Amino acid sequence: DAGVTQSPTHLIKTRGQQVTLRCSPKSGHDTVSWYQQALGQGPQFIFQYYEEEERQRGNFPDRFSGHQFPNYSSELNVNALLLGDSALYLCASSWDREAGAFFGQGTRLTVV
Amino acid sequence: GESVGLHLPTLSVQEGDNSIINCAYSNSASDYFIWYKQESGKGPQFIIDIRSNMDKRQGQRVTVLLNKTVKHLSLQIAATQPGDSAVYFCAEKTGGDSSYKLIFGSGTRLLVRP
Repeated sequence: DAGVTQSPTHLIKTRGQQVTLRCSPKSGHDTVSWYQQALGQGPQFIFQYYEEEERQRGNFPDRFSGHQFPNYSSELNVNALLLGDSALYLCASSWDREAGAFFGQGTRLTVV
Repeated sequence: GESVGLHLPTLSVQEGDNSIINCAYSNSASDYFIWYKQESGKGPQFIIDIRSNMDKRQGQRVTVLLNKTVKHLSLQIAATQPGDSAVYFCAEKTGGDSSYKLIFGSGTRLLVRP
């Protein structure tokens, strides 16, 4: 079991561009949550997808959007990138009562 | 409001000593807390959790204490090892298992001196 996998691991984009990040949840998990982790900060909840629908959303602007596919994998899209969007973007899959949320290793996005 | 915070940004301990990492929360209705460990270049890793109907929970070399009166929890690591060097976050889980959300604090960096 590969756990939660994210791609790419690192990405550099220019201000104003658009970016797509990808996540495959742990096998058998049907829920995907996305978090943004700025340097030196704790992760902040962006949104959660279940059954291809956005179930709940954190305090992030509409520039942040997502999608979930029938195989439960998910994409996070960010439009009109700002320097402040530079962060580690983490994906987490379904809650496990024994082991909590499984996180991927993250995608490090740098906006220049 | 929704906030979970930590008292100290960095904690340096001698290898073999015990470590205590503290965390304060503001929502008195919070009922489920988790400690995560995040090593450099990796995502957060579940360490231990505790529900509000408990004061203490123990795992392998770790103990979490919850004081609901002062809205404080702590993570104790016994016989700290170099592999324990990481950033530790406390987090509150809200919602049910199928629609959960984690609210993280800002983290404490644990440095283990040889």
